[in-house]
Amino acid sequence: GQNIDQPTEMTATEGAIVQINCTYQTSGFNGLFWYQQHAGEAPTFLSYNVLDGLEEKGRFSSFLSRSKGYSYLLLKELQMKDSASYLCAVRSFNTGGFKTIFGAGTRLFVKA
Amino acid sequence: IAGITQAPTSQILAAGRRMTLRCTQDMRHNAMYWYRQDLGLGLRLIHYSNTAGTTGKGEVPDGYSVSRANTDDFPLTLASAVPSQTSVYFCASSEDRGSSPLHFGNGTRLTVT
Repeated sequence: GQNIDQPTEMTATEGAIVQINCTYQTSGFNGLFWYQQHAGEAPTFLSYNVLDGLEEKGRFSSFLSRSKGYSYLLLKELQMKDSASYLCAVRSFNTGGFKTIFGAGTRLFVKA
Repeated sequence: IAGITQAPTSQILAAGRRMTLRCTQDMRHNAMYWYRQDLGLGLRLIHYSNTAGTTGKGEVPDGYSVSRANTDDFPLTLASAVPSQTSVYFCASSEDRGSSPLHFGNGTRLTVT
């Protein structure tokens, strides 16, 4: 089966840096995604990692270590609008084709 | 505007009733998915379809059925609704490449009384 773990909640200060961790177990690993979801809205895509290392995209970066089953999302220069849930998702490929499974999400509160 | 349309936006349903949630996309994506989202549990995969004519079971398929008669439509049916199916339901689609992210509809908030 698949298992994805991430912290339930985090709080950080405006202008600071925050790291949201995600650990996973899966077979047929085919990539790891991070999504952002504001309250009452649909999730939106942030980043994708399939190879080990860091992917940087503006204020957001995502890291992957496949051997450790570990990823993190790094948010720099935090803004109030970054208050949202951040969802770690793992895509796998098996006999049934592609499937994407999500962790329970990390609610990030950014305070002034 | 290209994207995914879900209907209805919200619905209150009596237990035991049958209900179909509609999902249509115009991006010509091969893969489509249904998730339910509950507080503290995140998004859980109900059913998925990697191409028209095929479907597969996700993490929580019991009590739900799907069909994929064509590329654009992927309806989710609750044959006999129960209160535990109260949730927010999201439909999503993606290209059938591993790197392709999911595109989500705006969700359907379903309450079963």
